[in-house]
Amino acid sequence: GNSVTQMEGPVTLSEEAFLTINCTYTATGYPSLFWYVQYPGEGLQLLLKATKADDKGSNKGFEATYRKETTSFHLEKGSVQVSDSAVYFCALTAQGAQKLVFGQGTRLTINP
Amino acid sequence: DTAVSQTPKYLVTQMGNDKSIKCEQNLGHDTMYWYKQDSKKFLKIMFSYNNKELIINETVPNRFSPKSPDKAHLNLHINSLELGDSAVYFCASSDLGDTQYFGPGTRLTVL
Repeated sequence: GNSVTQMEGPVTLSEEAFLTINCTYTATGYPSLFWYVQYPGEGLQLLLKATKADDKGSNKGFEATYRKETTSFHLEKGSVQVSDSAVYFCALTAQGAQKLVFGQGTRLTINP
Repeated sequence: DTAVSQTPKYLVTQMGNDKSIKCEQNLGHDTMYWYKQDSKKFLKIMFSYNNKELIINETVPNRFSPKSPDKAHLNLHINSLELGDSAVYFCASSDLGDTQYFGPGTRLTVL
């Protein structure tokens, strides 16, 4: 079946550090890939998405590139801020399917 | 101008009670969803409706019954609540096959 695996958290970084959160997936066909973010006490917000191989999604300084050859969609940011502290979820929708399949989430804490 | 709204935000109740959570979207989407987030933050789909018709039912106990009176609303009714039902329930909406937008969540605590 379809699945998403994210790097284990929690991740703790200092402000202005470089961030990578790894995400790999298993799916048949050509899934769409997403990163959602959940700030403390809030719901899920779409951070970025990519719908085909080699697409790069970007938003708020975050980027992720859809790599079909490595079945990956790693999230990166060049310089994190305290306000980026949140739980980040990698997710996919399989080709022709409606439901989102989520990874287990990665808690990120940024210290000043 | 809230896009996807849920009520209530918090729900505390006793085991065995029946409760409902309401969801409304004003995005004009034709598909709505319910997801459950457990205590470890893991998210899993429960149901999906497209134009008031059930299209996904992910082996959820039949104590859970979704109802969609129109395509802008998807309510979740839970009978005979159990301790294990404690979770955060998220509603979402999308156009069919497109990006899903989530509500703020309803934290259900069963005592």
